[in-house]
Amino acid sequence: AQSVTQPDIHITVSEGASLELRCNYSYGATPYLFWYVQSPGQGLQLLLKYFSGDTLVQGIKGFEAEFKRSQSSFNLRKPSVHWSDAAEYFCAVGGSSASKIIFGSGTRLSIRP
Amino acid sequence: GAVVSQHPSRVICKSGTSVKIECRSLDFQATTMFWYRQFPKKSLMLMATSNEGSKATYEQGVEKDKFLINHASLTLSTLTVTSAHPEDSSFYICSAASGSLNTGELFFGEGSRLTVL
Repeated sequence: AQSVTQPDIHITVSEGASLELRCNYSYGATPYLFWYVQSPGQGLQLLLKYFSGDTLVQGIKGFEAEFKRSQSSFNLRKPSVHWSDAAEYFCAVGGSSASKIIFGSGTRLSIRP
Repeated sequence: GAVVSQHPSRVICKSGTSVKIECRSLDFQATTMFWYRQFPKKSLMLMATSNEGSKATYEQGVEKDKFLINHASLTLSTLTVTSAHPEDSSFYICSAASGSLNTGELFFGEGSRLTVL
């Protein structure tokens, strides 16, 4: 069965500091991996996705993520966070096109001025 | 880009009434749509998968008679919460997949917040 684990419930970083949000997945085949961001009371916005190819993927808003098959991980990174990055971040895993996506429990990011 | 729209964005109803939430793909044909439920400060839990023209597939623990899903066309899926109770209050989000776009990703609606009094 597919599953996603985000071990950090809440992370606080200083503005301008680097960020890494952890994500581990369990999936029986080659996974499709996603990171979504959700602001309070809002829907989801796709930050980036990995399907195949280069294991380091670039997304919007300066985010990137690296797929490591050996570690079953897909950690999200940003070199320098901005106050506007404060939100809830969800890692997700799915299969081929039109396959259901399963979400992790989310990591809430707070930014310290 | 692909846009999915949900309506209404917010709804308040009395206990015992039924509420319908619509999910529309505006610029593509959605062969498959998914309905998620999100409790406050929690993750998104998949409720069901609906394919156009066929019955929805519900996840374990989701009452199919309470949460009626209809996917009558390639651009519209509806979720009806029947005989709603306060414990049904939640944020409901739909998403759509399109084989024609073939991007492998889902496109999410803005969500619908249901409050049952």
